[in-house]
Amino acid sequence: GNSVTQMEGPVTLSEEAFLTINCTYTATGYPSLFWYVQYPGEGLQLLLKATKADDKGSNKGFEATYRKETTSFHLEKGSVQVSDSAVYFCALSDHNAGNMLTFGGGTRLMVKP
Amino acid sequence: DAGVTQSPTHLIKTRGQHVTLRCSPISGHKSVSWYQQVLGQGPQFIFQYYEKEERGRGNFPDRFSARQFPNYSSELNVNALLLGDSALYLCASSLADTSSYNEQFFGPGTRLTVL
Repeated sequence: GNSVTQMEGPVTLSEEAFLTINCTYTATGYPSLFWYVQYPGEGLQLLLKATKADDKGSNKGFEATYRKETTSFHLEKGSVQVSDSAVYFCALSDHNAGNMLTFGGGTRLMVKP
Repeated sequence: DAGVTQSPTHLIKTRGQHVTLRCSPISGHKSVSWYQQVLGQGPQFIFQYYEKEERGRGNFPDRFSARQFPNYSSELNVNALLLGDSALYLCASSLADTSSYNEQFFGPGTRLTVL
């Protein structure tokens, strides 16, 4: 079956620090990969996506590259802000299973001024 | 344009009761999916509906059921509530069901507490 594993949090960083949140996946088909963000008290928002190997998704300074050889989709940002504090979820959608999403457990990011 | 809306926002029930959660998709979206997010965990897929038909079901007991109406809104029903059903229930809509390129847009969720 499909699964997503991401690093456990919380991750605590100072403002302007470099961020990496690791994500690896297992899929039976050819997945699309996503990062969602959940701010306190809110639903999920799509942050970025990549639909095939070697694609790079980017948005709001965040980026992630679809690495088929390492089955990874690590999230990075060069300089985090306090407003980036949230929970980040890595997810996949398998072409063989409609567009049902399989999520990782989430990583809480806390950015201190 | 309005996003995905869900009602109610919060709900408190006792064990054994029944609950109905509602979702209205983005205008023009024909597919609705439901996810359960237990505190501290990632969302788990429950159901997907497209054009009023069930297109996918996650690993949840038969106490969970859902339906989609002609206007594409949807209800999630849970019978015989257990303490473990306490969670944030998320609804997501998308244009169609069969392509993983179709972005799913999530609502704010319904927070269910079972006492």
